[in-house]
Amino acid sequence: RKEVEQDPGPFNVPEGATVAFNCTYSNSASQSFFWYRQDCRKEPKLLMSVYSSGNEDGRFTAQLNRASQYISLLIRDSKLSDSATYLCVVNEGLTGGGNKLTFGTGTQLKVEL
Amino acid sequence: NAGVTQTPKFRVLKTGQSMTLLCAQDMNHEYMYWYRQDPGMGLRLIHYSVGEGTTAKGEVPDGYNVSRLKKQNFLLGLESAAPSQTSVYFCASSYRTSLLTGELFFGEGSRLTVL
Repeated sequence: RKEVEQDPGPFNVPEGATVAFNCTYSNSASQSFFWYRQDCRKEPKLLMSVYSSGNEDGRFTAQLNRASQYISLLIRDSKLSDSATYLCVVNEGLTGGGNKLTFGTGTQLKVEL
Repeated sequence: NAGVTQTPKFRVLKTGQSMTLLCAQDMNHEYMYWYRQDPGMGLRLIHYSVGEGTTAKGEVPDGYNVSRLKKQNFLLGLESAAPSQTSVYFCASSYRTSLLTGELFFGEGSRLTVL
């Protein structure tokens, strides 16, 4: 079983649609959770952190359910510029400090006219 | 703002050749990482460093060596390249305190092909 699992997609949605991505993780001791965005042939960049209470950043809403080990990302009013691969990321920490980020394989989103 | 810079961006090697990827960051970050990204596999940690002069193995360290002689530089070496090392390599760096923020700053990637 992969440590972080995501549906690879692609999700093809029309502009203006609402789309949700899900992710599950296997290590119950994981400390923190994030969504990264990766454009085609580019480096990953942090999109947002994910908190148990849920958090919003504009059109993006992230949710965490620690009991179910489940993370979600909701994108409202999709824009063409949202087309990218969204990576679910879990931080388990490293002995001695630092981040041990485990990345999911990503979910590809294509927003169409 | 240079951020994290990787060189070279592209390289083609023959099996058995050696090469070094250089990563340089100008953000005074304590931690640096090397990842590889393969289709269907996600990003996997090769080696990491929590400070100048220290390195440690990640998830897939075999066939690679690293060095961090200066805080701003993290080198990834392939002593004897194999076709299985064909991949996109990403260097990243972070502050010591970014454990909870989770923010790694990535370089643009280095595409390596081993024939």
